[in-house]
Amino acid sequence: DVVMTQSPLSLPVTLGQPASISCRSSQSLGHSDGDTYLNWFQQRPGQSPRRLIYKVSNRDSGVPDRFSGSGSGTDFTLKISRVEVEDVGVYYCMQGTHWPRTFGQGTKVEIK
Amino acid sequence: EVQLVESGGNLVQPGGSLRLSCAASGFIFGNHDMTWVRQAPGKGLEWVSSTNRGGTGTYYADSVRGRFTISRDNSKNTLYLQMNSLRAEDTAIYYCARMPPSGSSEGYDHWGQGTLVTVSS
Repeated sequence: DVVMTQSPLSLPVTLGQPASISCRSSQSLGHSDGDTYLNWFQQRPGQSPRRLIYKVSNRDSGVPDRFSGSGSGTDFTLKISRVEVEDVGVYYCMQGTHWPRTFGQGTKVEIK
Repeated sequence: EVQLVESGGNLVQPGGSLRLSCAASGFIFGNHDMTWVRQAPGKGLEWVSSTNRGGTGTYYADSVRGRFTISRDNSKNTLYLQMNSLRAEDTAIYYCARMPPSGSSEGYDHWGQGTLVTVSS
């Protein structure tokens, strides 16, 4: 199985400051169809997960543009340009290139 | 509005069985592959099982293969997960989630609120 490794696992951030989460895969996520299937999810406290970004850098409808995704191959990053209170929660990366689909361990974003 | 509402979670003894249901509304259910993802208490997300839009293709994580069965009834807009031979390590919130038209490669674009399964004597 493809192992997804996120860092850091805990990320205290000052309001209005940027935040960055790394996600690394044990195998390349480049698919034979030319796409790279790395997705990001947000889980706010007490809520279900919500997809934020798909295929590395495509934001879902309604996701603020302060969220951005980048990367290729085995190294990916989720960035929040200016953290707001509503961004508190756990963020998961997930690969969709290989079976079985696998998630990272999660990164907990909290306000300092 | 897309809605996914899970039900059927409960306290069950080890070795027991349970059937989870997920009622879908707000979209054409038969046009989407569907999946179950679970989350053990205080832990991360784990993909459990998926099925294609017609229910003819089913996929399972190694941890549940042979014990769980995913199915769907498109006439009732409902997804199911039959769970047999339950173990303590199956204790989790079980989420039903919808795949986008492109399939699971792009993750899951809508999630239910989850239903809690507790396996304990």
